[in-house]
Amino acid sequence: GQNIDQPTEMTATEGAIVQINCTYQTSGFNGLFWYQQHAGEAPTFLSYNVLDGLEEKGRFSSFLSRSKGYSYLLLKELQMKDSASYLCAVMDSNYQLIWGAGTKLIIKP
Amino acid sequence: DTAVSQTPKYLVTQMGNDKSIKCEQNLGHDTMYWYKQDSKKFLKIMFSYNNKELIINETVPNRFSPKSPDKAHLNLHINSLELGDSAVYFCASSPGTSDYNEQFFGPGTRLTVL
Repeated sequence: GQNIDQPTEMTATEGAIVQINCTYQTSGFNGLFWYQQHAGEAPTFLSYNVLDGLEEKGRFSSFLSRSKGYSYLLLKELQMKDSASYLCAVMDSNYQLIWGAGTKLIIKP
Repeated sequence: DTAVSQTPKYLVTQMGNDKSIKCEQNLGHDTMYWYKQDSKKFLKIMFSYNNKELIINETVPNRFSPKSPDKAHLNLHINSLELGDSAVYFCASSPGTSDYNEQFFGPGTRLTVL
């Protein structure tokens, strides 16, 4: 079966750095997405990785290792507004997105 | 202007009723989706519709039927609502179906079945 694993919840301090991990087993791979979802709102796109390595976009970076079936989302200089759920999703061989359950990130002052 | 819109935002109804949720996108995208997000926050794909081709997820009961009058609209009709149908339903769209296709989500419809 297809499976996406990520921690259920993480806590970090304002101004710090946090890394949210995602491991996956899917039938085929056509890219990995990270989305941010604030409580009661729709998911919004953060990043897309299809090649191994690190993609940096401002305070957010996303890393992919296809051989390990592993990705992480790195958030720097954390702000209170970063409190949200972060969803990892993998596009399989049928170009369907398989979603993880999301990691709820709590930022404390 | 809203890119992907859904109506209604909240829907409360009795078991056994039939209801519809409407979705419209003004992005010119070819592909639209319906997702169900339950209380555990899993996003589960229900349907994807690429132009005239509907891809049905086999785990979706046939009480759920998508209807697409044109490329910009994908409505969801639900018959004989059950308690387990209570969830947030998200509509989304993307330019196509191949690799890098960022999906844009609507605001969601919170369905509560009593």
